[in-house]
Amino acid sequence: SQTIHQWPATLVQPVGSPLSLECTVEGTSNPNLYWYRQAAGRGLQLLFYSVGIGQISSEVPQNLSASRPQDRQFILSSKKLLLSDSGFYLCAWSGGQRNQPQHFGDGTRLSIL
Amino acid sequence: GDSVTQMEGPVTLSEEAFLTINCTYTATGYPSLFWYVQYPGEGLQLLLKATKADDKGSNKGFEATYRKETTSFHLEKGSVQVSDSAVYFCALSDLSYNTDKLIFGTGTRLQVFP
Repeated sequence: SQTIHQWPATLVQPVGSPLSLECTVEGTSNPNLYWYRQAAGRGLQLLFYSVGIGQISSEVPQNLSASRPQDRQFILSSKKLLLSDSGFYLCAWSGGQRNQPQHFGDGTRLSIL
Repeated sequence: GDSVTQMEGPVTLSEEAFLTINCTYTATGYPSLFWYVQYPGEGLQLLLKATKADDKGSNKGFEATYRKETTSFHLEKGSVQVSDSAVYFCALSDLSYNTDKLIFGTGTRLQVFP
């Protein structure tokens, strides 16, 4: 069966520090991959999605970037974190066909001090 | 563009009460519809889905029927439990792209008290 792993589960970082969050998927090949952010008490904001290695689409301009160095690995990064980057970050995968559900990881709670 | 509207929360119920969480959508074409649940501190889990008009998705006692005439996909459960306390998200498949992107509602928090 397919599984998705995100780490770390929680992270506390100072303003201006770099960021790297990792997501990996097992049990499937060539998945579509997604990064979402969920601010406290809010809905989901799609940040990036990827349909293949090295293919990244950005949904909103921001202080973050994403990379997909391997088929089942998706990384969210920042060179210098801002206070507004605080939130709950969720990675998700899907099978790549229309009308399919997405499957989410357990998320990373990021607090910026 | 396509969108999903959910009722504002929180929804507060006593155990064994009947639950309805309203969800309406705007879409061109015929999207698939989903309900996800998020328990505290966790990611989203797919609860149920429906892919065409009049389909009924069901899981764990929850049901939702795809109503094309009213563009709705309301979530219902006949008797809620304390363990159902969570945030519920309605979502639709975005047909404007050749991908499986989803459009989510803002979520509705459910609180069930014993």
